[in-house]
Amino acid sequence: EVQVVESGGGLVQPGGSLRLSCAGSGFPFSDHYLDWIRQAPGKGLEWVARSRDRTRGHTIEYAASVAGRFIISRDNSQNSVYLQMSSLKTEDTAVYYCTRSTYGSGNFDSWGQGTLVTVSS
Amino acid sequence: DIQMTQSPSSLSASVGDRVTITCRASQGIGDDLGWYQQKPGKAPKRLVYTASILQSGVPSRFSGSGYGTHFTLTISSLQPEDLATYYCLQHSRYPYTFGQGTKLEIK
Repeated sequence: EVQVVESGGGLVQPGGSLRLSCAGSGFPFSDHYLDWIRQAPGKGLEWVARSRDRTRGHTIEYAASVAGRFIISRDNSQNSVYLQMSSLKTEDTAVYYCTRSTYGSGNFDSWGQGTLVTVSS
Repeated sequence: DIQMTQSPSSLSASVGDRVTITCRASQGIGDDLGWYQQKPGKAPKRLVYTASILQSGVPSRFSGSGYGTHFTLTISSLQPEDLATYYCLQHSRYPYTFGQGTKLEIK
């Protein structure tokens, strides 16, 4: 069974940092795209960052709202993808979802349960 | 950025009704569109990809259509478990963008 499971959320002060983790299982991790998508409380979905698959060199994309502050990385030996978040703002408060995609088959076919990040003083 | 506009924003329908949700893109995206269902308190789930391909395991009462800038998600016979918010997503150009969501309520 394909699964992605997030961890690492919590309460952090504005300007602080936090690292989210996502562990994948049930699929060949390096052969898939991994993305982070977030949802502010009571709001819609916002794509945040992408790490492409091995064939495409694990290249990366970011939303403008997080570029320069967030870094996505992956460790295929650990079947994990990470989101290092720095210079956090109150508007970064959201549930952060880890998702899997497969090249040529649309996007975000599997989602984790999400992890809540609250940025507040 | 490509703007995705869904209509309606909310909708109330009865069990057995045919329901249609529309998504319009601010520029042409071919068939690079997906539909997602989010039940209250849960993570989203993919229903349709490439505009019209039904995700494995999704009931056949769901269907998607469209190309370019105009897309629809149709539920042919609404069921109580379809209570959810539905989102479209364009993945033609970065940044990928979602519609604002359509909240579906059961009368």
